[in-house]
This record gives sequence, structure tokens and C-alpha cells, in this order.
Amino acid sequence: SQQGEEDPQALSIQEGENATMNCSYKTSINNLQWYRQNSGRGLVHLILIRSNEREKHSGRLRVTLDTSKKSSSLLITASRAADTASYFCAASGSSYKLIFGSGTRLLVRP
Amino acid sequence: NAGVMQNPRHLVRRRGQEARLRCSPMKGHSHVYWYRQLPEEGLKFMVYLQKENIIDESGMPKERFSAEFPKEGPSILRIQQVVRGDSAAYFCASSPGRESEQYFGPGTRLTVT
Repeated sequence: SQQGEEDPQALSIQEGENATMNCSYKTSINNLQWYRQNSGRGLVHLILIRSNEREKHSGRLRVTLDTSKKSSSLLITASRAADTASYFCAASGSSYKLIFGSGTRLLVRP
Repeated sequence: NAGVMQNPRHLVRRRGQEARLRCSPMKGHSHVYWYRQLPEEGLKFMVYLQKENIIDESGMPKERFSAEFPKEGPSILRIQQVVRGDSAAYFCASSPGRESEQYFGPGTRLTVT
């Protein structure tokens, strides 16, 4: 079954604003990973949060995980035009394969 | 430490031909995963391999598709008798362990004409 559904599908913000993307999944996980993909390019790993963690920070990124609600959020603070990309969450369960959602397309307007 | 390498980056095949996609994992990584991405969609898991073993191929079509990760050399994803519906971006990822981050290569964009 598909896991890691993102919300919203598309987001347009002004440079300097914060961007929040949400992700929901369906079954139990070992960890959840967030990736960025620029148009037509490969995926860049952003952050991994384990099932026993609630929050994690990396630079301007903040990820939260609520296993009771089977949801996660990615916050990008003080956004820049270079943050324009698609963002995917990927849930990893007992089989360790990643189950991706359809992504959030973020546009940061200069 | 070089990242995950994939080649070719672009591959054009006529219907009925074979496509061979190669993936060299990051140094020290023995776990390889293949994913397929259709336009405007997320990635879909295909197969998970460790050296000389297929661990999970639940996402791979039963026919025409095969994957291997030999003791020496890159992992190979092979698609026989390609059809137009096989046109997609194929990504390989590697990790040092099962619970670790997966690092992705740049992908191979397959176009079937």
C-alpha cells in the first residue's frame, strides 16, 4: 500500500517566508526520510528521523514526527529561491525499502 | 568519496530491444535499491539487493525485468523487450546498512520509441 502522501501538492511562497510540508503514512515505520529533487535531476537526501525521535534539525530544516498520527512535517525557514524544488517524504518499514509519496512542488519567488 | 554512479544518464531504445542500466554504489555500501519514477510522480520501489543476493523484488514486474548485484562490478537492472510504458527515470540508491539513509544516483532516463 502507498505510504508517505504529501500535502500540499504545490506551494508558492515569497523568499524569506517559511515553508511547511506535511506527510502522512499508513503503516508502522522504522524511519522516515525527506528528499529534495530539482527538476529533471536526482534526489538529494535531506534528513532522516527515526521512529523513536520526535523532532530533528539540520540547518534551516526542521522535521517532526508523530507516530500516533502517522504523520511528519518538514519546515524550511527563511526560504531562498534556490529552495525551489520538489520535496518527497519516504517511509521505511520493516522491509527497509522506501515508500515515496507524490511530493510537494515548492516555488520560492524572489 | 564519489557518490552513487549511474550510467548511462540517458538511454533511447526501440520497442523490443533490451535496456541495461548500471549502478555503482558509494564506496563501502553493500545495499542497493532500484526505483522507477514516472513524470510528475514519486518514486516507486522495484528491487533491493545485497552483494550476490536479491533481498526483496516485490516491486519489480514478473516478466522482462531482472536485477543483479554481482560480487564484483556494478548492479545491473535489465529490461528485456522494452515497451513504451517502460519509459521512465530509473534511480539507484545505496546504503551502508538496512536502517541507514539511502543515497541516490542521478538516474537513467529511459525513452522507448
